[in-house]
Amino acid sequence: QSVLTQPPSASGTPGQRVTSSCSGSSSNIGTNTVSWYQQLPGTAPKLLIYSNNQRPSGVPDRFSGSKSGTSASLAISGLQSEDEADYYCAAWDDSLNGLVFGGGTKLTVL
Amino acid sequence: QVQLQESGPGLVKPSETLSLTCTVSGYSISSGYYWGWIRQPPGKGLEWIGNIHHSGTTYYNPSLKSRVSISVDTSKNQFSLKLSSVTAADTAVFYCARQYSSGWYVNYWGQGTLVTVSS
Repeated sequence: QSVLTQPPSASGTPGQRVTSSCSGSSSNIGTNTVSWYQQLPGTAPKLLIYSNNQRPSGVPDRFSGSKSGTSASLAISGLQSEDEADYYCAAWDDSLNGLVFGGGTKLTVL
Repeated sequence: QVQLQESGPGLVKPSETLSLTCTVSGYSISSGYYWGWIRQPPGKGLEWIGNIHHSGTTYYNPSLKSRVSISVDTSKNQFSLKLSSVTAADTAVFYCARQYSSGWYVNYWGQGTLVTVSS
C-alpha cells in the first residue's frame, strides 16, 4: 500500500486533456512539494514536474502540475500516443523522514 | 551531461547480502546533492530505499532501515548499496539516482539493473 494514492489507470484520446490525481496527508503533500515522473515501458522514470508545477528543461508545456492542500494533480493537454506511460507522484514525508511515491497511474491513449 | 550507471550481481541467493555500486560521470559527488537508490519490483511501483550526501548524512526508508546501508566513495565518484538478508520479495529493478534536497525530487536516474533473489 503506497503512502500517496493515485488512480491505477486513466485514458484519453489524442488531442484530449487528461488529469491524474495524487492524494496524501499533512506530513507529505500538505507540507512539502510534489514531483511527477513519467516511465515509458521498459525504461527508467524521467522527471516531469518538480516543486509542484515546475517543468525541467525539455519537458513540453503540455505537461503541468498543481497542488492544493494534501492533494496534487498532473494534467496533460493535447494528448499524444507517445504519452502512453506510467506516471508517479512523489513527496518527502516528514513523519517517515523519507521520499514516498504514489502507486502510479497507467495512462492509455485510445 | 550527468550519467549514472549501476553495476553488481544480477542474481543473489536468499539470506545473502545484495551489493550494488553506482558510478557517476559528468558531475562530482563531492559537489553536492544527495545520491540514492530506488527499486521497482517487476510489474509494481517505485519504492525509495535511501540516500547519502558526500558529507556522510544518510536517510533510509524506515521499512528497510534495519537491512540497508548506503556508502559513498568520493575518490571513485561512486556510491554503493548493501541490502542484507534478502528474500524473493527483494527481487526488483534497482535504480541509482541523484536527488535535490530542496524538494527531494530525483533529477537524474540510472538505467536500472535487475536483481533476482533466488537459490
